[in-house]
Amino acid sequence: AQTIHQWPVAEIKAVGSPLSLGCTIKGKSSPNLYWYWQATGGTLQQLFYSITVGQVESVVQLNLSASRPKDDQFILSTEKLLLSHSGFYLCAWSPGGASYEQYFGPGTRLTVL
Amino acid sequence: GDSVTQTEGLVTLTEGLPVMLNCTYQSTYSPFLFWYVQHLNEAPKLLLKSFTDNKRPEHQGFHATLHKSSSSFHLQKSSAQLSDSALYYCALRGGSNAKLTFGKGTKLSVKS
Repeated sequence: AQTIHQWPVAEIKAVGSPLSLGCTIKGKSSPNLYWYWQATGGTLQQLFYSITVGQVESVVQLNLSASRPKDDQFILSTEKLLLSHSGFYLCAWSPGGASYEQYFGPGTRLTVL
Repeated sequence: GDSVTQTEGLVTLTEGLPVMLNCTYQSTYSPFLFWYVQHLNEAPKLLLKSFTDNKRPEHQGFHATLHKSSSSFHLQKSSAQLSDSALYYCALRGGSNAKLTFGKGTKLSVKS
């Protein structure tokens, strides 16, 4: 069975500080990977997706960047956090091919002060 | 491009009454539709997905039928339960890329 893990579970950071959030998927080779952001009380906003190692497509950047250094890993980062970055960050995976459904990780709750 | 429109805002129901959450879509491709449910402080979970052979997907008492003629994939349940209170997203996979297009979500609140 596939498992998706996100780290950290929660983070409190200062405005202007750097950020790195991670996501790992186990039990599935070559998954499609996605990053979403959800403001408190808000809707899902797709940020990035990746079909293969080293390739990332941006949907909405929000002064964030993403990388896929390994087949099973997806990283979301920024060098300088803004207050508006606060929210719930969700990583998702999809089997790819003819299967389009996405499965979400547990998420990382980020508070920027 | 692809788009999904859902009943906006909050839908409030009394326990035991039927549930219907609307979802309509626009896509130039033959679409796959999904419903996700997100309980408070949790990640979204896949609830239903459309089938290519027009079967009606069902899960946890919920069902939805893809009507291509009206571009709809409404979510229904015959009897609401308190535990159904959550945020519901309709999503579409239309084009050839790997993305899903999500609606803005409908918050369902079931009261006793």
